[in-house]
Amino acid sequence: LAKTTQPISMDSYEGQEVNITCSHNNIATNDYITWYQQFPSQGPRFIIQGYKTKVTNEVASLFIPADRKSSTLSLPRVSLSDTAVYYCLVESGGPSGGGADGLTFGKGTHLIIQP
Amino acid sequence: KAGVTQTPRYLIKTRGQQVTLSCSPISGHRSVSWYQQTPGQGLQFLFEYFSETQRNKGNFPGRFSGRQFSNSRSEMNVSTLELGDSALYLCASSLEGAGGYGYTFGSGTRLTVV
Repeated sequence: LAKTTQPISMDSYEGQEVNITCSHNNIATNDYITWYQQFPSQGPRFIIQGYKTKVTNEVASLFIPADRKSSTLSLPRVSLSDTAVYYCLVESGGPSGGGADGLTFGKGTHLIIQP
Repeated sequence: KAGVTQTPRYLIKTRGQQVTLSCSPISGHRSVSWYQQTPGQGLQFLFEYFSETQRNKGNFPGRFSGRQFSNSRSEMNVSTLELGDSALYLCASSLEGAGGYGYTFGSGTRLTVV
């Protein structure tokens, strides 16, 4: 599975838009890009998933350029409760979505929102 | 709808003992996978079950094992516990375990080995 690279940490303020970029240079044709959010002592929570262009749901948007070698998670108007670790993953679209290694989590981006 | 349920929530065991953790996936989900999370190693994949068959396995010793029942509920077992097995164990379920569906995680079981 494609390895992902994302910033270790980011800071922002309440009410701001936050963009977290992830690179996945070796993404395969049938791979999807998925973002998860994790709070301490809880399991990761699915935020958004996309294959190409732009996907939007009630909590975030995901921008994927044509070459799909990177993606950007956009969180509009963040609040203190958005402080969490955000993971960018590449999931195989094959019969075993996680591939031989399951879902491969990197270190994630520790997002800290200040008042 | 009910989420992924993991039991117990917390567990304290002694070195050398064994432990069994349980995971009930979302109704209709056939894929269940297990992860270990520690501060040092982060989230690491243990294994995945699909329709009662182990489909994938991570790089963990044979002391870690699992199974899945016909109702998709899954258990994982760790034998001969070591201090380093102290971790948050997470279970995730998915419709098919394939791209396009995403995974839903439980809240985890916090295992402490003393």
